[in-house]
Order: sequence, then C-alpha cells, then structure tokens
Amino acid sequence: KNQVEQSPQSLIILEGKNCTLQCNYTVSPFSNLRWYKQDTGRGPVSLTIMTFSENTKSNGRYTATLDADTKQSSLHITASQLSDSASYICVVSAYGGSQGNLIFGKGTKLSVKP
Amino acid sequence: SAVISQKPSRDICQRGTSLTIQCQVDSQVTMMFWYRQQPGQSLTLIATANQGSEATYESGFVIDKFPISRPNLTFSTLTVSNMSPEDSSIYLCSGGQGIHYEQYFGPGTRLTVT
Repeated sequence: KNQVEQSPQSLIILEGKNCTLQCNYTVSPFSNLRWYKQDTGRGPVSLTIMTFSENTKSNGRYTATLDADTKQSSLHITASQLSDSASYICVVSAYGGSQGNLIFGKGTKLSVKP
Repeated sequence: SAVISQKPSRDICQRGTSLTIQCQVDSQVTMMFWYRQQPGQSLTLIATANQGSEATYESGFVIDKFPISRPNLTFSTLTVSNMSPEDSSIYLCSGGQGIHYEQYFGPGTRLTVT
C-alpha cells in the first residue's frame, strides 16, 4: 500500500534555530517527491519538487534531500523565522492508473517561538 | 506558475442545503483537482475535474453528493449537496499541467454546516 509518513507530528523551536523534518514513503512506482508549506487558513504552497535522480534541492532557507534507496526525504530549515510557523506536507507522486496519483503525508506542524 | 482563487472563502450553511464553490485559475492548466481537508488533517482527493466530460471521483466520493463542472481550462465548480455537519471541512482546488508536475493550490473554502 502506498503510504507517506512524516515525523515529528509537531515541533516547537526558537527563532533563529535550525530544524529538520522527516518523510518516509512506501510508494511505487515513484515519480517525484514534493514538500509543501501550508500556513493556517491557506492552501499549500510548493517548496521543492525532486525526481528520482535528485539528492538535494534548495529554496532559500529550505533544503530538501531525497534518498531513493531508503525511500526517505528530509526538509531542513535554516535560521528559522516566525513566518516559518506552518504545516509542512510531504507528497509523493506515483505512476499508475489512468493518471497516476499523489499520496499526501499528514504533515508536520512547526511552531517558531520568539 | 498559476494563481488560483476560490469563492466563497468561507460559508456557514444549514443542513440539507447545497453550496457551490468556484475555482478560477489565471492561466490554462491541463488538470484541475478538488480536495477536502478535515481540521488538523492532510488533504484527501475528492475528484479530478475533466474539461468537457464527467469528473473522475476517488473512492468514497460520488457525483450525486459532489457534482463537479469544468467548462473550460481555467474554471471549475464543486457543489456540496444535501449537506450535513460531517461535510464541515476546508475544500481546496488545485491545478497543474499534469499529476506529475507542479500543482498550485487555491486558498480553500472553509465550510461549516449547522
């Protein structure tokens, strides 16, 4: 069964600190993996999208890694800011069916405190 | 990229009534999707809105309850019919050039059924 699991479920850090969010997946056949940021009351916004051959991708203070062998991904946030408080959702795109599908993780809720 | 807007942003409706949510994309996209997000949960795909033909529904969602229209490449509507309190949720529209490509999300419609 295709699944995406994220950890931790929630995280509180102090402003300026770094943090790493984890994503493990059992999705086959794999197409790509995305990280989204969802602010409260808003729709998800894409941070990165990585294919099988990509190990690392950065978007400003956000750096995503992908290990396709172990089926793990991480999202590292550097020098956190109050505006980083949000839910971070890992999504894996799979081939299959008539159109393929997206498998969503439940997200990690990050709170950055001053 | 694409910018997606939804109307209404929120609504409070009575049991047994119906609500139609509109989704507008500022550029043509190949695929449009409708999701539901329960409080504190991740996104669940309701259906793929197909231009000029019937939508493709995921398991657990039926056309009689969630009729969808997509008259062109930039617009879609989702109707939540005969509502009950269990339909209280956030409904999100997304669009993109394909399931394996970047998807852009609308801000969501927060529905409360009393």
